[in-house]
Amino acid sequence: QVQLQESGPGLVKPSQTLSLTCTVSGGSISSGGYYWSWIRQHPGKGLEWIGYIYYSGNTYYNPSLKSRVIISLDTSKNQFSLKLSSVTAADTAVYYCARDRVGPVGGFDIWGQGTMVTVSS
Amino acid sequence: QSALTQPPSASGSPGQSVTISCTGTSSDVGGYNFVSWYQQHPGKAPKLMIYEVNKRPSGVPDRFSASKSGNTASLTVSGLQAEHEADYYCSSYAGSNNLVVFGGGTKLTVL
Repeated sequence: QVQLQESGPGLVKPSQTLSLTCTVSGGSISSGGYYWSWIRQHPGKGLEWIGYIYYSGNTYYNPSLKSRVIISLDTSKNQFSLKLSSVTAADTAVYYCARDRVGPVGGFDIWGQGTMVTVSS
Repeated sequence: QSALTQPPSASGSPGQSVTISCTGTSSDVGGYNFVSWYQQHPGKAPKLMIYEVNKRPSGVPDRFSASKSGNTASLTVSGLQAEHEADYYCSSYAGSNNLVVFGGGTKLTVL
């Protein structure tokens, strides 16, 4: 079965770029026509959708983050990545990668375990 | 402030049923049949419980049911058990400019 695993630094300095990677195992990221997404959860708070990438490379971003976000795909490594620039303490959160079963409409059926990222000097 | 409004808490005794609401607008919940519900236990990733308003993924028991009326979607958990105690989030497709919006979450307590 398909599994997702996030990886990346747990600590990022303010004004720097947060970079995370999601490795997909048990299936090809470029088959099945799935949409792949990043979602975050601030400590003790609700979920916030960050963006999608389709296997073709098309991307869709949350308007509130669009100016700072880039999501990319590396099909050779079966991975997709998140870059969030100019981070502040408000970007401290658990970051999840997820697959949308139909997409891009919000039915996230497979999630990674999440990775905590703290923005602090 | 979340785009979709959920009650912060809900509770029920074992064996009872509880319903959680999720209120949006005609631009999200009311405009599309793409409402999903997620269950999240502490320290765990969310789990998809309902998609496309009222469909259950394989493996989700039928004690979880959902519906939508106008701009409000609802999740009902029947036959409450201790394991159902968790946070529940709704989400909805919100159109081509802001694809997915979430609710603020509801903490379900089994008394």
